[in-house]
Amino acid sequence: DGGITQSPKYLFRKEGQNVTLSCEQNLNHDAMYWYRQDPGQGLRLIYYSQIVNDFQKGDIAEGYSVSREKKESFPLTVTSAQKNPTAFYLCASTIWGVNGANVLTFGAGSRLTVL
Amino acid sequence: KNEVEQSPQNLTAQEGEFITINCSYSVGISALHWLQQHPGGGIVSLFMLSSGKKKHGRLIATINIQEKHSSLHITASHPRDSAVYICAVGVNTDKLIFGTGTRLQVFP
Repeated sequence: DGGITQSPKYLFRKEGQNVTLSCEQNLNHDAMYWYRQDPGQGLRLIYYSQIVNDFQKGDIAEGYSVSREKKESFPLTVTSAQKNPTAFYLCASTIWGVNGANVLTFGAGSRLTVL
Repeated sequence: KNEVEQSPQNLTAQEGEFITINCSYSVGISALHWLQQHPGGGIVSLFMLSSGKKKHGRLIATINIQEKHSSLHITASHPRDSAVYICAVGVNTDKLIFGTGTRLQVFP
């Protein structure tokens, strides 16, 4: 079955450590996204990529980095520069059509806790 | 003011009740999405609308482009419908703006 796989589901990190969250899709979607979700807030865009080897900063990119070396993969690194990294992270992908995002698909999410 | 506002923030209902969740937005959009997020966090896309009305099972979504408003209706609600329902609008060609969600609890 096609879909998005995020790993790990739960991750604990000590302050000062970088961690990388994996996102893999087998939907052949061009566009991939990383969102952060905090209690009481809407999803906020961290980074997005519309094609391989290209990505753009979202609204809250500081302290995060990404790469898009393959169409299927869009890993997110939470660096030690991110001041408040404890959150729920969601990866998504889509195909953009005439009427905007079509077939919006999300992964199951990764919950990061900084100890 | 948020560009996408949902109401109510929280909603409780008895099994069988008709549910309405509202979404208003203040920007020009290409399409509007209704999403469902269950405990545990995974999000499922329910509808994508650019005009009119769509129906899937007990779920109905409508959009009024002129009034910049959409509604999600659930008929004959069931405890398994308990989830957070999120409205998201597509702007430009590559950006989505999300509402903060409506938490629905349906009791037997």
